[in-house]
Amino acid sequence: GAVVSQHPSRVICKSGTSVKIECRSLDFQATTMFWYRQFPKQSLMLMATSNEGSKATYEQGVEKDKFLINHASLTLSTLTVTSAHPEDSSFYICSAIGISYNEQFFGPGTRLTVL
Amino acid sequence: TQLLEQSPQFLSIQEGENLTVYCNSSSVFSSLQWYRQEPGEGPVLLVTVVTGGEVKKLKRLTFQFGDARKDSSLHITAAQPGDTGLYLCAWWMDSSYKLIFGSGTRLLVRP
Repeated sequence: GAVVSQHPSRVICKSGTSVKIECRSLDFQATTMFWYRQFPKQSLMLMATSNEGSKATYEQGVEKDKFLINHASLTLSTLTVTSAHPEDSSFYICSAIGISYNEQFFGPGTRLTVL
Repeated sequence: TQLLEQSPQFLSIQEGENLTVYCNSSSVFSSLQWYRQEPGEGPVLLVTVVTGGEVKKLKRLTFQFGDARKDSSLHITAAQPGDTGLYLCAWWMDSSYKLIFGSGTRLLVRP
């Protein structure tokens, strides 16, 4: 099956700093990548959809200036949490859909803790 | 409000017991997916059900899609500690090109 990686797996930062999370499709080209957020003991909530070379589409209630998404290539999408605050602490998961696949493949997630 | 409601929210059972998890909605779906997510990991696709009334089996897991395609269930026979995790139903919205997850059921199987 297709593999999606995320880096870092966990990050701790101070309030007010920015954090970048990478999502890579390792063995396939991803036409579309998705970013989800998951609070403890809750389900996944879609934050945004990104297509290579175009602006991301954000879900209602997600601040596009706070969660910057860049999909620079067919194998890499990044999520930058700008001026992070403790309420941004969460588990961030990306997924990708490839040209030859009809399902999403999920990354292992990134645990963000903002102090 | 959640488009896909799952019940129960949490289930703690003894190894060897059977259980059923439900996924309900007022909407009709072209298909539904079931995922399992273990702590600290991303979700993994278990199955996709497409046809109303369809039943699919994956070892000790049995998935059913309601006749009206508004609901689905997951039945686990003789649960094992390795079945512990968060079970999620999900709907792929063709029109919006996005996956919507249900509210989730956390399962704990005690040895």
